[in-house]
Amino acid sequence: GAGVSQSPSNKVTEKGKDVELRCDPISGHTALYWYRQSLGQGLEFLIYFQGNSAPDKSGLPSDRFSAERTGGSVSTLTIQRTQQEDSAVYLCASSLVKDRVAFFGQGTRLTVV
Amino acid sequence: EDQVTQSPEALRLQEGESSSLNCSYTVSGLRGLFWYRQDPGKGPEFLFTLYSAGEEKEKERLKATLTKKESFLHITAPKPEDSATYLCAVQARRNNNDMRFGAGTRLTVKP
Repeated sequence: GAGVSQSPSNKVTEKGKDVELRCDPISGHTALYWYRQSLGQGLEFLIYFQGNSAPDKSGLPSDRFSAERTGGSVSTLTIQRTQQEDSAVYLCASSLVKDRVAFFGQGTRLTVV
Repeated sequence: EDQVTQSPEALRLQEGESSSLNCSYTVSGLRGLFWYRQDPGKGPEFLFTLYSAGEEKEKERLKATLTKKESFLHITAPKPEDSATYLCAVQARRNNNDMRFGAGTRLTVKP
């Protein structure tokens, strides 16, 4: 596609439920990032994928968070047993490794009630 | 630890009133510094990348500059449509994976 696509755009879930957030990166981009943005805050790095290399998971806040990237393209961020503090906007970005400029999707606004 | 601090947190300008946003950073070996614009409810939109001290880039009313410790985003004769949150991020040479973002400057330009 022309840009990074994320779905759903909004998600309301009950505390304790699992959620899956999807990211379709720009075609041909080998690098993919997930960030979290809480209200009025900057972007918090979560995880990074680059080609077939092992992902950099150093930003994941707890073991309830996981992500995978299938076929070097689509990525899914999974949050298990959601908590209210997980409420935030989850942003996905992709880039060509060469110039490292990251292009962002519109984000998924997650609300845990 | 890499750190990015943006100031001010919020800035209100009258249309046509030029000003500058600051991004101070500490990073061991800068690979690149990035400026993004974020409108409410949207993802950040790329503006500039700066790689070395002394480098400058311009786009319409915006001009970004870089020193060894900070970057400035100069806004000349702003218009109301320039109202947005401006985010700065740094990427270190040793770790090509992580862009570390500042908290942003929320700019409001009044007509």
